[in-house]
Amino acid sequence: TQLLEQSPQFLSIQEGENLTVYCNSSSVFSSLQWYRQEPGEGPVLLVTVVTGGEVKKLKRLTFQFGDARKDSSLHITAAQPGDTGLYLCAGARTDSWGKLQFGAGTQVVVTP
Amino acid sequence: GAGVSQSPRYKVAKRGQDVALRCDPISGHVSLFWYQQALGQGPEFLTYFQNEAQLDKSGLPSDRFFAERPEGSVSTLKIQRTQQEDSAVYLCASSLGEYNEQFFGPGTRLTVL
Repeated sequence: TQLLEQSPQFLSIQEGENLTVYCNSSSVFSSLQWYRQEPGEGPVLLVTVVTGGEVKKLKRLTFQFGDARKDSSLHITAAQPGDTGLYLCAGARTDSWGKLQFGAGTQVVVTP
Repeated sequence: GAGVSQSPRYKVAKRGQDVALRCDPISGHVSLFWYQQALGQGPEFLTYFQNEAQLDKSGLPSDRFFAERPEGSVSTLKIQRTQQEDSAVYLCASSLGEYNEQFFGPGTRLTVL
C-alpha cells in the first residue's frame, strides 16, 4: 500500500494541451519531491517543495504544495512529446528523514 | 563519473542463487539509498546509509536481503537464495542536501527464473 496516492494513473493527451497530476496523503510531510522517470532509467528530480502553500515554477511545469503539507500537484502547460514519462511524487516525513515514500506514479503520454 | 552508477545493469539468476548488486554513488555524497521497483509501481524504500552507518533497514523484505557500505562510498546489496518474487529493478540513489534530494542510478534489473 502506497502512503502517497497519485491520480490519475495514466494520462494521454495531445501536444499543446494542459494536464494536472495529483499526489495525496493523510500524512504530513516535511518536504515533497517530484521526479520523472523514463524507461530503463532511474528517476530524475524535478523539484522539491518544503513550505505549505508553496508554488514553484520550472518553465512550463508548476508545482504546488498543499497548505497542510499533505498533498501536492503538478501542472504542465502546453505539453510537448518530450514531457512523456512516469511522474512520481515522493515525500519525507519529519520522523523518518531518510525514508522517502514514493507514490505509484502517473504515466503521461503526449502525442504529436 | 558524474552520476550514480550501478552494476550489473541486468542480472538473471536461477532460483536459490545468491546475487550481489553494486552501487557507486556521486563522489562526496554522504547518504546512500536502495529501492526496489516492481513493474508499474513507484520505488519502495529498502534501506539507507549515512557514510558507513546503516541508519534504517526497515524496508528490507526478509533476512535474505543484506546491504553494506564498509568505507562509506561504494555499496553492495546482496540477496541470498533468490526467489521469483525478488524479480524487480533495484535502484540506488545518493544525496547530499538538507531536503534529501536524491540522484538515482539507472538501476539493476534482476530476473529470477
